[in-house]
Amino acid sequence: QVQLVQSGAEVKKPGASVKVSCKASGYTFTSYDINWVRQATGQGLEWMGWMNPNSGNTGYAQKFQGRVTMTRNTSISTAYMELSSLRSEDTAVYYCARRNDSGGMDVWGQGTTVTVSS
Amino acid sequence: SYELTQPPSVSVSPGQTARITCSGDALPKQYAYWYQQKPGQAPVLVIYKDSERPSGIPERFSGSSSGTTVTLTISGVQAEDEADYYCQSADSSGTYLVFGGGTKLTVL
Repeated sequence: QVQLVQSGAEVKKPGASVKVSCKASGYTFTSYDINWVRQATGQGLEWMGWMNPNSGNTGYAQKFQGRVTMTRNTSISTAYMELSSLRSEDTAVYYCARRNDSGGMDVWGQGTTVTVSS
Repeated sequence: SYELTQPPSVSVSPGQTARITCSGDALPKQYAYWYQQKPGQAPVLVIYKDSERPSGIPERFSGSSSGTTVTLTISGVQAEDEADYYCQSADSSGTYLVFGGGTKLTVL
């Protein structure tokens, strides 16, 4: 079945970086954009950016530009999101999601909890 | 930056109709999408392109658009529909995606 499986929970110190992976299966990885969305505890969804797995092209929300990098390894159908200069406000669940031809995010990963704490 | 505005909460009794609105200046130009999220779970797409329903989503979920407001309607609400609902769209250029603040649907 079509699914996205994310890497496990991370605990980081302020100022560090975190890299979350998102492995696709059940479909052609290079056919659909991967988007990243985060959600702080008790808060709403926040879009971070997108990556085209075929070209490697990316687009980032203005809030994260300069601090986020989205990459992929097509040989293992895996997308990555790296966030640097972490601060406590970055503590959240991070989701990857496939954006289909109709523009909707129709397949989501299970989420990765990132905790930033000294 | 571009924003989508949703009411924080909506309450309905079982069997009634729930309507959740989402307002944004670019909605006449950009499609809207709706997601349902239950506690501890990833979001699920329930409406795409303003009013289309993905396969597997019950017919009681529908969407509509009028000017700068889109509406998610849940007819004959069931207890299992209690969840947070988020609208999502893009800015006028289509460059940046955005989510609304979310609406908590309570089934009384």
